[in-house]
Order: sequence, then C-alpha cells, then structure tokens
Amino acid sequence: SQQGEEDPQALSIQEGENATMNCSYKTSINNLQWYRQNSGRGLVHLILIRSNEREKHSGRLRVTLDTSKKSSSLLITASRAADTASYFCATDAAGSNYKLTFGKGTLLTVNP
Amino acid sequence: GAGVSQTPSNKVTEKGKYVELRCDPISGHTALYWYRQSLGQGPEFLIYFQGTGAADDSGLPNDRFFAVRPEGSVSTLKIQRTERGDSAVYLCASSVSGSLAGELFFGEGSRLTVL
Repeated sequence: SQQGEEDPQALSIQEGENATMNCSYKTSINNLQWYRQNSGRGLVHLILIRSNEREKHSGRLRVTLDTSKKSSSLLITASRAADTASYFCATDAAGSNYKLTFGKGTLLTVNP
Repeated sequence: GAGVSQTPSNKVTEKGKYVELRCDPISGHTALYWYRQSLGQGPEFLIYFQGTGAADDSGLPNDRFFAVRPEGSVSTLKIQRTERGDSAVYLCASSVSGSLAGELFFGEGSRLTVL
C-alpha cells in the first residue's frame, strides 16, 4: 500500500515559473523525503525533513511539513527544462524506522 | 563502483520461467532495499535487509518471490514461475544504516518483462 499521495498527478509550467507539489500521508512519521526520477532512470534523493522540522531549503528547493495536517509541499523556484521529471514523496512511518513508503508521484513538465 | 549497480538492466522471459535479479549496493552500506515500480506508479516496498538478514519481507507479494543477501553485500531477488503480472521495474536501494530511514541511493533498476 502507498502511504503518500502527491497532488497534482501532473503539472505543466513554463521555464522560470515556480512549481509546487503537495503530499499527504496517513500515519505519524519520523521523517519525510522527496525524490526525483527522470524517465527510465532510478530515483535520486532531493531532501529530507524530520517530523520536528517545519521548513527546509536546499538550493532552489523548499520543503514544508505540517504534521497536524499530515501534509508536505515541495516548491521548486525558477524552474528549468532540466527539472522535468517525476517527483515522489516518501514517508518513514513512526514505529517503522526503516521502511520508506512512496506515493504515486507528480509528473512535472517544464516547457522551454 | 560508486553507485548501486543492478543487473541485468533488462530481462525478457516467458511465463513460468525462473528469474534472478542482482543488486550490488554501495560499499559499506548495511541496509539494502528492493522495490517494484509499475508504469505510472511509485515504488512499492518488497523487502529490506539489515546486514545479511531480512528485517522485513512483508512487501513480497507471494511465495514465488524470495531474496537473499548471504554476505551482507550483494543481494539477489529471485522470482519463480514468473507471471505476466510480475512485469515491472525492480529497483534496489542502499543506505548507510537502516536504524533510521535516511537517504536511499537507488540503482537504475532491472526492467522485467514476462511474455
């Protein structure tokens, strides 16, 4: 079963615009991670946010976490065509300190 | 190598055949994971190893699936009597330690097609 649900399923924007993807989950977590997957490739880790953190930045990425709403968002600022990929959130459920459960992902297309 | 290596990258087999998929994790990573990804879906957890032992195999769909990691490094996912529904990309990932789920490093995957 999949713990996280990303929203929207697909997002198409123009280069230079910001992209926001959301993730909702069902159970208490230890941490939440975001991964990126280019078509036909493996997943690449982007950022990890712990349950006691509310916001984290890494370059053009900004992640927020609201544990009361069981939701997270990933913001990519000043998007580039190379950001085109699928983005997945993954949760490490409390009491399951080793199993990352992934959502279905958001397919982001950045048009040049 | 520097990353997680999976072989074969592509495997086409006939229904009913036996298949082995291999994963060579990053050196020194004690935790190793197998996931399965179908088209348009996120990775689905299959099994997790901490060292040589399977710490959690609750994601294996049935007893046709089995995985080993005899020396705590390379792992093999074994599928018996393959079915068309087994067609998917099988992803392997490793991490430094599984005591707290940190960053996973993924291989490129093995694409399995069962005809």
